[in-house]
Amino acid sequence: GQNIDQPTEMTATEGAIVQINCTYQTSGFNGLFWYQQHAGEAPTFLSYNVLDGLEEKGRFSSFLSRSKGYSYLLLKELQMKDSASYLCAVRGMGHYNTDKLIFGTGTRLQVFP
Amino acid sequence: DGGITQSPKYLFRKEGQNVTLSCEQNLNHDAMYWYRQDPGQGLRLIYYSQIVNDFQKGDIAEGYSVSREKKESFPLTVTSAQKNPTAFYLCASSAHGLGGQGGHEQYFGPGTRLTVT
Repeated sequence: GQNIDQPTEMTATEGAIVQINCTYQTSGFNGLFWYQQHAGEAPTFLSYNVLDGLEEKGRFSSFLSRSKGYSYLLLKELQMKDSASYLCAVRGMGHYNTDKLIFGTGTRLQVFP
Repeated sequence: DGGITQSPKYLFRKEGQNVTLSCEQNLNHDAMYWYRQDPGQGLRLIYYSQIVNDFQKGDIAEGYSVSREKKESFPLTVTSAQKNPTAFYLCASSAHGLGGQGGHEQYFGPGTRLTVT
């Protein structure tokens, strides 16, 4: 089967650092995506990892270990606007080798002053 | 500006009625997707299309139908056969629909919240 696990909820304080973990078991692997989704809005792309290691993008970094089926999203210098759900998605192998994304349930992050 | 549009943002229907949700993109993307999002669940794929006049069922296609007559448009019909149609529906597109390398992230529309009573 295909499974992506991430914590349901996390809380953190403004200015702090938070790490959101994601573990996956999928049929095939062609990359892992992180999306941010504010309540009632569309997900927006944050990061993409296909090779092992850390990808840094401003305040956000994402790490991947393919051998462990594990990724994390690191958010630094948290701001109130970072309160949102963070979705982990693995690009697996659908029919006809399409870009089929398998999504986790998302981690709802609340940032407090 | 390039992007994906979905309309309407909120839609209300009576049980037993078919309803069509629109999705248009001007990003010149080949692939388009429809997802459904329910509270406490991840996005679930309903249908996807790699090229015009071709589409495949996703994980939860029962009770839904789609068409892809134009590259820019991928409307979703929620039929009366769908047992639990009330949900948030998201349309997405990506540049590459036939595998290969590269990120090719999916870009999402703003979503349509459908309520069926």
